[in-house]
Amino acid sequence: DQQVKQNSPSLSVQEGRISILNCDYTNSMFDYFLWYKKYPAEGPTFLISISSIKDKNEDGRFTVFLNKSAKHLSLHIVPSQPGDSAVYFCAASAGGRDDKIIFGKGTRLHILP
Amino acid sequence: SQTIHQWPATLVQPVGSPLSLECTVEGTSNPNLYWYRQAAGRGLQLLFYSVGIGQISSEVPQNLSASRPQDRQFILSSKKLLLSDSGFYLCAWSVLGRLTGELFFGEGSRLTVL
Repeated sequence: DQQVKQNSPSLSVQEGRISILNCDYTNSMFDYFLWYKKYPAEGPTFLISISSIKDKNEDGRFTVFLNKSAKHLSLHIVPSQPGDSAVYFCAASAGGRDDKIIFGKGTRLHILP
Repeated sequence: SQTIHQWPATLVQPVGSPLSLECTVEGTSNPNLYWYRQAAGRGLQLLFYSVGIGQISSEVPQNLSASRPQDRQFILSSKKLLLSDSGFYLCAWSVLGRLTGELFFGEGSRLTVL
């Protein structure tokens, strides 16, 4: 059962435009959400996170929006740059001592020149 | 500063052979430790996580096992590899108690089972 879903395997966006990556979750106990970026043959790196008590968190070109009622979050990248081409993973955690972090399948973002 | 290392970086093994991947974390104490696998079309699948020495939780039934013999050492093993064990294995750590929820990943180990 996929608790974190990224339904778009890939996305192509023109350089300079906005990239919007979407993520849905099913577990209402999740209270912390994260986005990671991954280049081929490397470990993922943390991008941005949001707690369930917020609905928006912004860090430079990256903004994450959380809609708890819809169990949906999105990552906005504005403006998109060539170096943003990578696989983006959405992740969620329900907290507690175990602190499991569950990832989606990822979305491959291509920034077109 | 904290660092995480895993090895070997690449491994080609025949079906039925054993496996041992090692991961160590430096610069922190009592971390949560994780093994993830990235296989084609499967995203990042959580395999094992550990909140302390000797404490291992398994997320996916498989022929793999994990051990934590020391606070900052996490080992992924198999007695007999299957073709389906091929993938990119990632070790990660996080702060116990989750102050930020952030995971810090190692460089990854590419395993090819032939």
